[in-house]
Amino acid sequence: NAGVTQTPKFRILKIGQSMTLQCTQDMNHNYMYWYRQDPGMGLKLIYYSVGAGITDKGEVPNGYNVSRSTTEDFPLRLELAAPSQTSVYFCASSYVRQGSGEQFFGPGTRLTVL
Amino acid sequence: GENVEQHPSTLSVQEGDSAVIKCTYSDSASNYFPWYKQELGKGPQLIIDIRSNVGEKKDQRIAVTLNKTAKHFSLHITETQPEDSAVYFCAASNGDFGNEKLTFGTGTRLTIIP
Repeated sequence: NAGVTQTPKFRILKIGQSMTLQCTQDMNHNYMYWYRQDPGMGLKLIYYSVGAGITDKGEVPNGYNVSRSTTEDFPLRLELAAPSQTSVYFCASSYVRQGSGEQFFGPGTRLTVL
Repeated sequence: GENVEQHPSTLSVQEGDSAVIKCTYSDSASNYFPWYKQELGKGPQLIIDIRSNVGEKKDQRIAVTLNKTAKHFSLHITETQPEDSAVYFCAASNGDFGNEKLTFGTGTRLTIIP
């Protein structure tokens, strides 16, 4: 299994541009998550999904959109990029069931908005 | 919502000595407390977790303790080795299954001095 894969690894955007961060998992996990990690800070949840067709906001959803049309894919869309969205973005997945549900993280996407 | 505080932010210990990282949480309903290790350029990886019905859990050189009354939990690493150098995050969750949504601490950068 490849686990959780993310593309691209790095990206520089200009203010106002848009982009989609891709995330795919091959573990048949039901839950998927998007986090952002700012320097010296922990991970903050942007959006999460409990299954295909179902998404919900996390702690910091403003400026982002998600969709989950399949179990495997959970893309994160940035519209009108702003410097405040400069961060490292991590996608994660887990198989949530009673008594378990370790979150597996991808390698991250480092995004800079200038 | 849940708030997780983590201390210290940086920690340096001599190889072979022990390291302790502490976290406090605010939501008494939290029932799942994982610890993640993040190596440079990678996503976080689960190293140990504990549920609220258990006071202590050990896995080789790593142990976690939980004090529900005081709402704090700690990570203990004994006989530290150079490969233990990384950033460590604590987290807390109060989902139905105990692990659906995590609130992370701000991280501790642990450096093992050879």
